[in-house]
Amino acid sequence: NAGVTQTPKFQVLKTGQSMTLQCAQDMNHNSMYWYRQDPGMGLRLIYYSASEGTTDKGEVPNGYNVSRLNKREFSLRLESAAPSQTSVYFCASSEGTDSLGYEQYFGPGTRLTVT
Amino acid sequence: LAKTTQPISMDSYEGQEVNITCSHNNIATNDYITWYQQFPSQGPRFIIQGYKTKVTNEVASLFIPADRKSSTLSLPRVSLSDTAVYYCLVGDDKIIFGKGTRLHILP
Repeated sequence: NAGVTQTPKFQVLKTGQSMTLQCAQDMNHNSMYWYRQDPGMGLRLIYYSASEGTTDKGEVPNGYNVSRLNKREFSLRLESAAPSQTSVYFCASSEGTDSLGYEQYFGPGTRLTVT
Repeated sequence: LAKTTQPISMDSYEGQEVNITCSHNNIATNDYITWYQQFPSQGPRFIIQGYKTKVTNEVASLFIPADRKSSTLSLPRVSLSDTAVYYCLVGDDKIIFGKGTRLHILP
């Protein structure tokens, strides 16, 4: 099992360009998440998908869109990249999202630089 | 959603036991407490989870007092490889990771 995979690993964009970060999990998890982590900071939730067909905003959704393509895949799109979106992006998945605290499994991250 | 407070950083020496305490005064009745570990350039990794009293696994122990307003992650006999950031999460763990505790193990 590969767990959670993310592509690409690194990306450099110019301001105004668009791109899609891909995430896939092979654990048959219901819930998937996108986080960003700025240098020296904790993770901040961008969007999450509690189950296939649903998506919800997290703490910092502005400038991003997501698509839960199927149960396995959850993509994050930057329509018009800005330097403030320079960050490391982590995708995660878990069996569920209720307060029982299902363990999240994280991907290796995508390092994005916007110039 | 319960907010957590943890020390920003801690230093310890190899072979010592390290205890990191997290306070969560507003924890809800159904909330679990979960700890994650993150190494540089990697995503966080689940360490341990508990609801009350004590939980132990092959990596760590988690102590939770009766009022559940705090919890303590205990790492026995740390090594240099335990240098990492440790996050305490309460309840619906999809939201708040916070800045965590930077643990630095010295030789």
